Amino acid sequence: KQEVTQIPAALSVPEGENLVLNCSFTDSAIYNLQWFRQDPGKGLTSLLLIQSSQREQTSGRLNASLDKSSGRSTLYIAASQPGDSATYLCALNTGNQFYFGTGTSLTVIP
Amino acid sequence: GAVVSQHPSWVICKSGTSVKIECRSLDFQATTMFWYRQFPKQSLMLMATSNEGSKATYEQGVEKDKFLINHASLTLSTLTVTSAHPEDSSFYICSARDPQPTNEKLFFGSGTQLSVL
Repeated sequence: KQEVTQIPAALSVPEGENLVLNCSFTDSAIYNLQWFRQDPGKGLTSLLLIQSSQREQTSGRLNASLDKSSGRSTLYIAASQPGDSATYLCALNTGNQFYFGTGTSLTVIP
Repeated sequence: GAVVSQHPSWVICKSGTSVKIECRSLDFQATTMFWYRQFPKQSLMLMATSNEGSKATYEQGVEKDKFLINHASLTLSTLTVTSAHPEDSSFYICSARDPQPTNEKLFFGSGTQLSVL
């Protein structure tokens, strides 16, 4: 069974700093990996999706990478802003099921 | 991108009553929808997979008679929490797959906060 872990569980950074969120998984047989953002009491908003055959995806200040051989994905956020404060979750799609990470709660301090 | 609408956003009910939560795909047809439960500061827990025109597939430990799922059309799935009790209080979220087979992206509703008194 796929196990997905996100480290750290919580992170606080000053505004303007670049940061990296980590997502580790145990089974490299994945279809794609998706990064989400969740604000308190809200649903999940899709940020980036990386197909199994891809190494990275970029959208604005966000860059997500995927290394299946090592079972890792990272979400890089450049020039962080207070509005980036939220919980970030990664989700693996094995084709049959989606497995969610435990999430990283990010606080960007003005 | 695709839009998934979930209603209501929050509901407060008395113990013993039933609550229905709706999940609609607004601009695409979703043959498969997923229902999750989320406790504070925890990740999503898959409850069941809802398939249009057939019975839902429930995850181990989820009571089928407690959490009734109906997926009668390609744009609507409903979750009914029957005879709700305080321990059912939680945040419930639905999601649907992007219909494009090469994308397989998940889109989520905005969630429903259920509080049972």
